[in-house]
Amino acid sequence: DARVTQTPRHKVTEMGQEVTMRCQPILGHNTVFWYRQTMMQGLELLAYFRNRAPLDDSGMPKDRFSAEMPDATLATLKIQPSEPRDSAVYFCASGFTEGTEAFFGQGTRLTVV
Amino acid sequence: KQEVTQIPAALSVPEGENLVLNCSFTDSAIYNLQWFRQDPGKGLTSLLLIQSSQREQTSGRLNASLDKSSGRSTLYIAASQPGDSATYLCAVSVYSGGGADGLTFGKGTHLIIQP
Repeated sequence: DARVTQTPRHKVTEMGQEVTMRCQPILGHNTVFWYRQTMMQGLELLAYFRNRAPLDDSGMPKDRFSAEMPDATLATLKIQPSEPRDSAVYFCASGFTEGTEAFFGQGTRLTVV
Repeated sequence: KQEVTQIPAALSVPEGENLVLNCSFTDSAIYNLQWFRQDPGKGLTSLLLIQSSQREQTSGRLNASLDKSSGRSTLYIAASQPGDSATYLCAVSVYSGGGADGLTFGKGTHLIIQP
């Protein structure tokens, strides 16, 4: 059963600490997306990769957020330093270039206190 | 900038009714449109994908239509069941950089089906 796997599922951290979220896309998918979901803003695109190359990260606060794809089986989203306003659920999704369905992971619920 | 609006924001109906959820988008130059379901505390489950060249897609009791020129899509749920209770999200993508761009989401319709 192919699925997108995200770790950790939950993370509570103190303001100022570094947070790293990981995503394993579905094997063979060449496009990986990072989204953030909050009650106020809903789902927002943060960044995405195609064939491991970053294509758009305009949705991310550049001073504290970074996204990488060190290999085809791993995508990471890092926040350093974290702030309370970063508290949200972060979703990873994967798909194909040709615009077929996007498949979402279960999300990482981040709480910054 | 693409904006996606979903109406109504919330809906509560008795079991067995047929219902329609609405989605509109401001830029008609979309690549595809996707409907998702989200249960509380869970991820998103893809329900239906409509490519820009298509008019509708069906899966079981679900039917989604797309009118690209008017910037509208509807999700029709037939014979609703309590298990259909969830938040339904509409999202569109555009063509960029040789493929589908990231999705722009609506805020969702929170659906409750009363037993």
